[in-house]
Amino acid sequence: DSGVTQTPKHLITATGQRVTLRCSPRSGDLSVYWYQQSLDQGLQFLIQYYNGEERAKGNILERFSAQQFPDLHSELNLSSLELGDSALYFCASSTPGGGPDTQYFGPGTRLTVL
Amino acid sequence: AQSVTQLGSHVSVSEGALVLLRCNYSSSVPPYLFWYVQYPNQGLQLLLKYTTGATLVKGINGFEAEFKKSETSFHLTKPSAHMSDAAEYFCAVSAVFGNEKLTFGTGTRLTIIP
Repeated sequence: DSGVTQTPKHLITATGQRVTLRCSPRSGDLSVYWYQQSLDQGLQFLIQYYNGEERAKGNILERFSAQQFPDLHSELNLSSLELGDSALYFCASSTPGGGPDTQYFGPGTRLTVL
Repeated sequence: AQSVTQLGSHVSVSEGALVLLRCNYSSSVPPYLFWYVQYPNQGLQLLLKYTTGATLVKGINGFEAEFKKSETSFHLTKPSAHMSDAAEYFCAVSAVFGNEKLTFGTGTRLTIIP
């Protein structure tokens, strides 16, 4: 158990819908990262938040957005869903530091878009 | 920009045999290098990481990796494979300075033959 929790574990929805994925980082971790794992794209970095502020952006679609709340949990919002958005979405957290500390991954949310 | 290439999307070894999973990286800045393992239907777990210092890094479950700057490689090895090592393995790179995101390779699925 990494200490990072993600809910829900599975999500099945239809095209055009909007969903919210939730992540709670390890106690004390200020950074939260979101990654998408799909068969065709592999594991890709989406976005990073540090202590409530967006810190880095990767290959995140405009239909996707995220935020980190004062209690440090984070939510990833996916809207106007398409079949291609079906994937495993991971959240990771890390301790603050001067460089890229070890990222601890949650168990993921499996999103299926029908 | 950084990238990782994992040679061999599937590797099969006999139980008790040497495990060698190959990873080559490209980075314009000094890299941090990681190996993560993903068991079926689970999140990613850190096996080991190279930051600075000793180039031979020992990780969990008997795995180790050697950072070879001249060869831009960070291959993962284990002297004797065990059935429980069957999983998918990901090599990842991040920058020592700047963006802390992980850039992953495409993964290598390790199968252990009894």
